[in-house]
Amino acid sequence: NAGVMQNPRHLVRRRGQEARLRCSPMKGHSHVYWYRQLPEEGLKFMVYLQKENIIDESGMPKERFSAEFPKEGPSILRIQQVVRGDSAAYFCASSPGTVQETQYFGPGTRLLVL
Amino acid sequence: SQKIEQNSEALNIQEGKTATLTCNYTNYSPAYLQWYRQDPGRGPVFLLLIRENEKEKRKERLKVTFDTTLKQSLFHITASQPADSATYLCALVMGTGGFKTIFGAGTRLFVKA
Repeated sequence: NAGVMQNPRHLVRRRGQEARLRCSPMKGHSHVYWYRQLPEEGLKFMVYLQKENIIDESGMPKERFSAEFPKEGPSILRIQQVVRGDSAAYFCASSPGTVQETQYFGPGTRLLVL
Repeated sequence: SQKIEQNSEALNIQEGKTATLTCNYTNYSPAYLQWYRQDPGRGPVFLLLIRENEKEKRKERLKVTFDTTLKQSLFHITASQPADSATYLCALVMGTGGFKTIFGAGTRLFVKA
């Protein structure tokens, strides 16, 4: 059973461009979480999604950031008009449908904004 | 204000000794608490979970305690090995609305041979 997949692993964007980060949860998992991690800081919750629904987006910046988890395909975290402060590691995690005690994390996408 | 704090300084111990890491929190009422391990350049890996009504949990060389009165969890690695060197993250999982997990900044552990 493959683990949580994220791609790309590294992404370089210039200021003002768009960044799209993809996450494929573990097979059978219908809950996806996105986190951001800055160097020497903890993981900061961004958004929690189930298939086709955003359940909790209280950690998402109000502008430029959006997330989706369509019926088919991976979850997407989209950052429009990136700024240097968006440079960070973005981690996706998934959990089984009814028990979300354990989150399984992907390897992360490291975004660098030049 | 709400805070979750872990030792910010790295912990250096000798192989074979017991490593003890601390997680303190304020103004949260978690349903349960988790510990994760994170290696450089990788995502966190789940280690142990302890519920609010549990005092202690063990798994092989790992032991976690949870004191909801002190609002503190201790994470112990006995007979530590150099391979245990990593950053260890404490995480609170809220019960109500139950979807948000709050992570501490982590403590780096170095085990010397």
